Amino acid sequence: GAVVSQHPSWVICKSGTSVKIECRSLDFQATTMFWYRQFPKQSLMLMATSNEGSKATYEQGVEKDKFLINHASLTLSTLTVTSAHPEDSSFYICSASGVAGAHQETQYFGPGTRLLVL
Amino acid sequence: KQEVTQIPAALSVPEGENLVLNCSFTDSAIYNLQWFRQDPGKGLTSLLLIQSSQREQTSGRLNASLDKSSGRSTLYIAASQPGDSATYLCAVYWTGGADGLTFGKGTHLIIQP
Repeated sequence: GAVVSQHPSWVICKSGTSVKIECRSLDFQATTMFWYRQFPKQSLMLMATSNEGSKATYEQGVEKDKFLINHASLTLSTLTVTSAHPEDSSFYICSASGVAGAHQETQYFGPGTRLLVL
Repeated sequence: KQEVTQIPAALSVPEGENLVLNCSFTDSAIYNLQWFRQDPGKGLTSLLLIQSSQREQTSGRLNASLDKSSGRSTLYIAASQPGDSATYLCAVYWTGGADGLTFGKGTHLIIQP
């Protein structure tokens, strides 16, 4: 149980285009979903936290107008990288938790999406 | 600033050895600490979750300890196998902070057959 999927697993796009990444909890209702980004040889960095039905909370330094997050249902969150540039190339990972606040519960991670912007 | 540091950054040992991975964190006000495994190009697999009130957790050949007062956690791997080769990440939930995890940079582990 507690499986999280991401789609696509990898994507290559041209600079200036927008890319949408989906994160789904397959067998549980995810009250909270998190989006992380990992640059090569760097640690995972939290980008934003989203609770179903409300606006996402972005970490300092993450542009909310560039990284649009939608968490419209308890099983789906999407991250859209708008007007992507080469510096946005990274490994994006989502995670999901079934408890609001998630302090006490394990997060379940998706397999990640590798984005390459040319 | 709340940070998580992992030492060593890389480790290569012969198969069968017992080994210890270290994680330190700058603020003792944590809710819990997790150890993850990351295989190349793959997502994370949660290995062990230690609540702030706990001292250790065990799963198979893995044992994780937590010493909040000194800001340290260790992951002990017994009788290492080539299949254990991966990057191991330590991550902390801070009390009163963001709901997400703060990760260390990981320890890249290679087990030589």
